[in-house]
Amino acid sequence: EDQVTQSPEALRLQEGESSSLNCSYTVSGLRGLFWYRQDPGKGPEFLFTLYSAGEEKEKERLKATLTKKESFLHITAPKPEDSATYLCAGANSGYALNFGKGTSLLVTP
Amino acid sequence: GEEVAQTPKHLVRGEGQKAKLYCAPIKGHSYVFWYQQVLKNEFKFLISFQNENVFDETGMPKERFSAKCLPNSPCSLEIQATKLEDSAVYFCASNPAGNTEAFFGQGTRLTVV
Repeated sequence: EDQVTQSPEALRLQEGESSSLNCSYTVSGLRGLFWYRQDPGKGPEFLFTLYSAGEEKEKERLKATLTKKESFLHITAPKPEDSATYLCAGANSGYALNFGKGTSLLVTP
Repeated sequence: GEEVAQTPKHLVRGEGQKAKLYCAPIKGHSYVFWYQQVLKNEFKFLISFQNENVFDETGMPKERFSAKCLPNSPCSLEIQATKLEDSAVYFCASNPAGNTEAFFGQGTRLTVV
């Protein structure tokens, strides 16, 4: 059965304190590993897609990496505006996204 | 349009009533997906379309739920005889080519009372 597990469930960081979010996955026929950000009351906002082990992508303070079993979202020197829920999802052979339960990140000044 | 537009934003139905949700995908996107988000972060895939054809309906409850994407009309998700457990936020997403990034709408919050 396809499964995506994210940890930790919640993370509180001081502004400037770097950390990593973890996503472990078992998705048959994986067509891509996606990271989204979701703010309260909004739809998920696309961040990254990773397709093969060893791939890395960066955007501002965020960097996503992929291995054969896990993906990491590294947050460097976060700011309060990075506070959100970060969702990891694996696309199956039918392109549907199988989401993890997310990591709720709070960055305090 | 340049964003996925979902209407209405909020919908309240009494138990047993029908609910109909609409989604206009981004122009030029061939794939449309419907997801249900219950509790805080539990997303469940319902159904996807490639243009007006059902592509994957493995997540769709067999009873009470139906969906359509017709040419020149918004896509729709209909729930007959709503139940309390149907209360959730329903998201629509679209993408141009299947396994590329999907762009999500702002969701429709359905409350069944």
